[in-house]
Amino acid sequence: EVRLVDSGGRLVQPGGSLRLSCAASGFTFSSNWMHWVRQVPGKGLVWVSGMNTDGTHTMYADSVKGRFTISRDNAKNTLLLQMNSLRAEDTAVYYCAKDLIGHGSFDYWGQGTLVTVSS
Amino acid sequence: EVVLTQSPGTLSLSPGERATLSCRASQSVSSTYLAWYQQKPGQTPRLLIYAASIRATGIPDRFSGSGSGTEFTLTISRLEPEDFAVYYCQQHGNSRYTFGQGTKLEIK
Repeated sequence: EVRLVDSGGRLVQPGGSLRLSCAASGFTFSSNWMHWVRQVPGKGLVWVSGMNTDGTHTMYADSVKGRFTISRDNAKNTLLLQMNSLRAEDTAVYYCAKDLIGHGSFDYWGQGTLVTVSS
Repeated sequence: EVVLTQSPGTLSLSPGERATLSCRASQSVSSTYLAWYQQKPGQTPRLLIYAASIRATGIPDRFSGSGSGTEFTLTISRLEPEDFAVYYCQQHGNSRYTFGQGTKLEIK
């Protein structure tokens, strides 16, 4: 069974940093692109960042480029998102998502972790 | 960046009726990279359709997707009570991924 477990979300002050983690199991993690998607409660889905299988190709939404860094540890089946210079508008539930190979869609999602940026 | 516009914003129908949801892209999208998701309150999104028309694993055949280029459609042939939710389309191209703003399907 595919399982993605998101963690690391909490209350952080504007300008602060946070690192999110996604623990993956039930599939060959190293063979799949992985992504982060966020959602302000009650609002729509927004893609944040993605990475290829070996970490050599990373992609970012313009709103987070230069502030967020995606990475992965294939030995530990873990996806990470380092979030720096956080802003109030980064407040959202962050989901990690598994890429459906060859189709650029997301076939499995973590349960989400809430990041709140506020003073 | 490709902008996806979904219509209508809210669709009010009764169980047993047919639902037609639209997703329009600001520029042509490869059908290979067009997907639909369902999200119920308090739940994570669920992949329904990928490659514009292929049902994901375990998705009932009352859900179908169609379209190409800039116009895509999700159809639910006969609404069941559990189908009332928010639906999103999503595309991938040029190392970018975008979602539509969602259509809320509510019980009339």
